[in-house]
Amino acid sequence: EIVLTQSPATLSLSPGERATLSCRASQSVSDYLAWYQQKPGQAPRLLIYDASNRAAGIPARFSGSGSGTDFTLNINGLEPEDLAVYYCQQRINWPITFGQGTRLVIK
Amino acid sequence: EVQLLESGGGLVQPGGSLRLSCAASGFTFSSYAMTWVRQAPGKGLEWVSIISGSGDTTHYADSLKGRFTISRDNSKNRLYLQVNSLRAEDAAVYYCAKDTGDIVATGGFDCWGQGTLVTVSS
Repeated sequence: EIVLTQSPATLSLSPGERATLSCRASQSVSDYLAWYQQKPGQAPRLLIYDASNRAAGIPARFSGSGSGTDFTLNINGLEPEDLAVYYCQQRINWPITFGQGTRLVIK
Repeated sequence: EVQLLESGGGLVQPGGSLRLSCAASGFTFSSYAMTWVRQAPGKGLEWVSIISGSGDTTHYADSLKGRFTISRDNSKNRLYLQVNSLRAEDAAVYYCAKDTGDIVATGGFDCWGQGTLVTVSS
């Protein structure tokens, strides 16, 4: 099973700042990595797929990068509505696995 | 508009069974893989199972094999999850989600239901 390790566990930033979230895989997942946003009380929402492709309707201030074992989700110009837990997910191997999540707190 | 609506959750005793259902609309159901993901209270996301568009191919989380069975009825645009021999650790919100493809490595789960809560308690 591929283990995804996300860091930091919690990130606290102010509106307008840039958030950088990391996801590291225990073995290469090529670029088959997705990022999801889960706001409090809501279902997850797909942000990024295949490491760097924004899903439909996702603002350009969300961007993904990386390949192999190291991936990054960047959120530019933080807004209060970005308060959420962000998860990475791999699907190159079965079983599909998720990272443990990074909680983004907006000061 | 793509919509997914789960049902079938509830309170069940340890060792009991449930059949979760997900009604899909707004897309060609049989063209896409569908998946179940669960989330225990206050915890992260845990992938449960996936089924191909035709229903011929399924995969499960290793820890759940043998107790959980995924299926679909493309004539009714419905996805199912049969959960047996329930344990306290199975208590969670169960989400169904649509894949962007049909069991390929690329893509992600681009539409999610609101979830159905399964509680396991005597």
